[in-house]
Amino acid sequence: EVQLLESAGGLVQPGGSLRLSCAASGFSFHLYAMSWVRQAPGKGLEWVSGIGATGGPKSYADSVKGRFTISRDNSDNTMFLQMSSLRAEDTAVYYCVRSAGLLLVFPLDYWGQGAPVTVSS
Amino acid sequence: QSALTQPPSVSGSPGQSVTIACTGTSTDVGSYDRVSWYQQPPGTVPKLIISEVNHRPSGVPDRFSGSKSGYTASLTISGLQAEDEADYYCSSYTTSSSWVFGGGTKLTVL
Repeated sequence: EVQLLESAGGLVQPGGSLRLSCAASGFSFHLYAMSWVRQAPGKGLEWVSGIGATGGPKSYADSVKGRFTISRDNSDNTMFLQMSSLRAEDTAVYYCVRSAGLLLVFPLDYWGQGAPVTVSS
Repeated sequence: QSALTQPPSVSGSPGQSVTIACTGTSTDVGSYDRVSWYQQPPGTVPKLIISEVNHRPSGVPDRFSGSKSGYTASLTISGLQAEDEADYYCSSYTTSSSWVFGGGTKLTVL
């Protein structure tokens, strides 16, 4: 069974940083691209960033480019999202999501339960 | 990358059919047959119900179908059931090697 378990998330002050992690199990992690998708309270889905199965290529939404960094450790079946210069508008539930193949072009087929992130003073 | 355009809400009675449109541009829907649809009942995680315009993952009822023409993709739900009440999101791969979502459509089963 595919399982994606995000780290706890948390409360961060504006301008602060936070690192999310996603532990994957139940599939061959190194064969699948991965993404982060977020959902602000009461709002729709927004794709944030993605990374190919081998660690590249990496892609970012314009709204987070230069502030967020995606990475993965295939030896530990884990993906990360380093978030810096956080803003109130980054407040959202962040989902870890698997693509159905090696590259980001494949559909997003499995979703984690989500990690709530709140940016507030 | 601007969000794809979906109607905010649609409704239908049990047994009826409803269609949700999703309009993009030449850089997303118009460039690839990489359109997906997700169902999200209240308080739950999104679930993939259609991929690559019209493919249903295993376990998704055949009441759900997808299509695409030009810059517009569509999701049709036939034989509406109460359990279909949810938010529905389209998404498309883009020429920027990213994904873009629609704003979401709330389906109400009357």
